[in-house]
Amino acid sequence: ETGVTQSPTHLIKTRGQQVTLRCSSQSGHNTVSWYQQALGQGPQFIFQYYREEENGRGNFPPRFSGLQFPNYSSELNVNALELDDSALYLCASSLPGTNTGELFFGEGSRLTVL
Amino acid sequence: QKEVEQNSGPLSVPEGAIASLNCTYSDRGSQSFFWYRQYSGKSPELIMSIYSNGDKEDGRFTAQLNKASQYVSLLIRDSQPSDSATYLCAVNTWNTGNQFYFGTGTSLTVIP
Repeated sequence: ETGVTQSPTHLIKTRGQQVTLRCSSQSGHNTVSWYQQALGQGPQFIFQYYREEENGRGNFPPRFSGLQFPNYSSELNVNALELDDSALYLCASSLPGTNTGELFFGEGSRLTVL
Repeated sequence: QKEVEQNSGPLSVPEGAIASLNCTYSDRGSQSFFWYRQYSGKSPELIMSIYSNGDKEDGRFTAQLNKASQYVSLLIRDSQPSDSATYLCAVNTWNTGNQFYFGTGTSLTVIP
């Protein structure tokens, strides 16, 4: 148990719809990162939030957006869903500026786009 | 060129044997290196981290880092069936805002 919780755990959407995924970080962790993991692939970095500001973004289009709240929880929003958005979406919390830089993952939200 | 490359496997070893997993990375500025284990349908869990050249041992696991060769490995001694999982190599470069680059993972099966 990492203390990172995500919701929902599974969801099914159709092309063109919008989805919001939620994440509560581990206590004391003020940095949240989101990753997309397609089947058979490693996690791909979407973006990171630190103190409510986006602090780095991977190679994902603007229809992927996020928020971080004062309690460090976070949301990932995806608009205009495409079939290729079907994946496991992982939230990870961490402490910036530490020597370890370890990521602590939640159990993920599995999105299926039909 | 991919940032982090791993052999996808599958790798099969008999119970009690040593499993050797390898990873190469492209960014010479990389500073932190991690091995995550991911069971089917679950999220990755950290099993080892290594930051300087050489070996780091933790129980049955040994991580090895060679920055000159841009190479990271994980050895699992006395492999157990419960070690059967996908092992992900991850690399972090501080100047990319703590962004982690993951390999595609190596699938390991330990045969009883």
